[in-house]
Amino acid sequence: DAMVIQNPRYQVTQFGKPVTLSCSQTLNHNVMYWYQQKSSQAPKLLFHYYDKDFNNEADTPDNFQSRRPNTSFCFLDIRSPGLGDAAMYLCATSGQTYEQYFGPGTRLTVT
Amino acid sequence: QKEVEQDPGPLSVPEGAIVSLNCTYSNSAFQYFMWYRQYSRKGPELLMYTYSSGNKEDGRFTAQVDKSSKYISLFIRDSQPSDSATYLCAMNYYGNNRLAFGKGNQVVVIP
Repeated sequence: DAMVIQNPRYQVTQFGKPVTLSCSQTLNHNVMYWYQQKSSQAPKLLFHYYDKDFNNEADTPDNFQSRRPNTSFCFLDIRSPGLGDAAMYLCATSGQTYEQYFGPGTRLTVT
Repeated sequence: QKEVEQDPGPLSVPEGAIVSLNCTYSNSAFQYFMWYRQYSRKGPELLMYTYSSGNKEDGRFTAQVDKSSKYISLFIRDSQPSDSATYLCAMNYYGNNRLAFGKGNQVVVIP
């Protein structure tokens, strides 16, 4: 089945220790997104790639970076995680139409 | 005024009842409308996607869009305990990859 895959599903990191979350997709969609979702809140868009074009949201902290080496993969790098960065991180994709398909998420814990 | 308003609930219903969820929006440019179901600690799952006024049915689910009133609804017939989840409405428009989300509506179906 075509899908969006995220690894790892659970990640524990220490305060200030860099962490990378990964996303892959088999949908061959040209747009990939990274969202942050905290408890009882809607997902908050961090940035997205339209093909190789990177689009950062104005309020995304510099601490968050992203890479998209090819159509299938996208990475979220958190350079110096703080306690406030503990959240669910969601990857999503969209193609020629505007609905987005989400992965299962990576739950990040910062100790 | 937020772009998308969704009463967060929670909403408790007995098994077999009809669940009715609603979102209102302020931006008349919105033209693509989605409903997502999100189980606890999982990623959002696309339930319904529609882009025209009127009703769209898929099994026990009906999505309704009224663009003149800027109002969308999701109905779940014959609700089951497995429908217990948070339901998020989301929308965007042509040329805009950013989804505007409602806050989410927690639904509990009691056996």
